[in-house]
Amino acid sequence: EAQVTQNPRYLITVTGKKLTVTCSQNMNHEYMSWYRQDPGLGLRQIYYSMNVEVTDKGDVPEGYKVSRKEKRNFPLILESPSPNQTSLYFCASSPLSPHSPVFTTYYGYTFGSGTRLTVV
Amino acid sequence: TQLLEQSPQFLSIQEGENLTVYCNSSSVFSSLQWYRQEPGEGPVLLVTVVTGGEVKKLKRLTFQFGDARKDSSLHITAAQTGDTGLYLCAGVYSGAGSYQLTFGKGTKLSVIP
Repeated sequence: EAQVTQNPRYLITVTGKKLTVTCSQNMNHEYMSWYRQDPGLGLRQIYYSMNVEVTDKGDVPEGYKVSRKEKRNFPLILESPSPNQTSLYFCASSPLSPHSPVFTTYYGYTFGSGTRLTVV
Repeated sequence: TQLLEQSPQFLSIQEGENLTVYCNSSSVFSSLQWYRQEPGEGPVLLVTVVTGGEVKKLKRLTFQFGDARKDSSLHITAAQTGDTGLYLCAGVYSGAGSYQLTFGKGTKLSVIP
């Protein structure tokens, strides 16, 4: 089944303790992205990757890191989590980048099921 | 980042009723996508509209793209409890030499049995 898999689904951690949220897709998609979803603020993009070894900041990158060493994996790293990073996180992938005109007609995102992170 | 306004923010209706939710912007979009997010899951793409005035139907859901490509609507006929969820629109617009995708904040729909 074509899918984006995120782990863990739920995570409670303490301030300052480094954590990684994994994301893997089995569709050979070039483009991957991380979003956070907060009440009243909607989906906000954290980082995205156009392809292997190519990553760039989204709208809210502070406090996060990513890497894209393989096409299928795009982990999100919080080096020193803080309570304001408590949120619902989604990984998404697409065959092409939304920056491409072809995306607008033929493609959309496939999202993972989300990771609910609580930082205390 | 371009602004996409969705209205209403919340909507609670009885099963069997009709409803319309809206997605508006001051910007022209190349295309617009609608996603549905069920509780505890990620958003799922429902439809993409590309041409001004375009209408697409997905069973009881009717999607329309405004003539000027600045707005869109989603109409649900005879709502069912399975329609409950967060409906997100996402607009693709051209700017700064590339295309950008921006999400609205969503309309949270509750269909009561």
